[in-house]
Amino acid sequence: GAVVSQHPSRVICKSGTSVKIECRSLDFQATTMFWYRQFPKQSLMLMATSNEGSKATYEQGVEKDKFLINHASLTLSTLTVTSAHPEDSSFYICSATPLFSDSYNEQFFGPGTRLTVL
Amino acid sequence: GEDVEQSLFLSVREGDSSVINCTYTDSSSTYLYWYKQEPGAGLQLLTYIFSNMDMKQDQRLTVLLNKKDKHLSLRIADTQTGDSAIYFCAESSGNTPLVFGKGTRLSVIA
Repeated sequence: GAVVSQHPSRVICKSGTSVKIECRSLDFQATTMFWYRQFPKQSLMLMATSNEGSKATYEQGVEKDKFLINHASLTLSTLTVTSAHPEDSSFYICSATPLFSDSYNEQFFGPGTRLTVL
Repeated sequence: GEDVEQSLFLSVREGDSSVINCTYTDSSSTYLYWYKQEPGAGLQLLTYIFSNMDMKQDQRLTVLLNKKDKHLSLRIADTQTGDSAIYFCAESSGNTPLVFGKGTRLSVIA
């Protein structure tokens, strides 16, 4: 149980286009989903926290107009990278916290999406 | 801000024990975690320990916590080639986001 999927697993796009990444909790409902960014040989950096039905909370330095997050249901959150540029190329990982769980202490991670912007 | 430090690389022979070390700065850390990341994949929670514990053992994994020195270690007994991965240490005070280290790349030599 507690499986989180991401789609797509890899995406290559041209500079200036927008890319949408989906994060789904497959066998549980998630009150909270987190989006992370991971650069090569670097740690995971939390980008934003999203709660179903409310606006996402962005970490300092993350542009909310560039990284649009929608958490429309208890099993789906999407991250849209708008007007992507090569510096947005990275590995994006989401995680989800089951209903009735302590938000930060029980996170199940997706497999990640590798974004390459040409 | 809070910081979590790990050595970047560790190489061991198959069958030996691996010890991955981590230090953190947040004295209010309540939970400390070890995650495993295989190539191109997300993170898998291996184990976690509450700050009021000194040790936790789970099959081949042993976690040691020295709260005074803010030092956490993960020992993998009888390391196998399938244990080759990146291991992340993370900490949280319980109501704050996880803070991750940069990860230790474990290479197991057959």
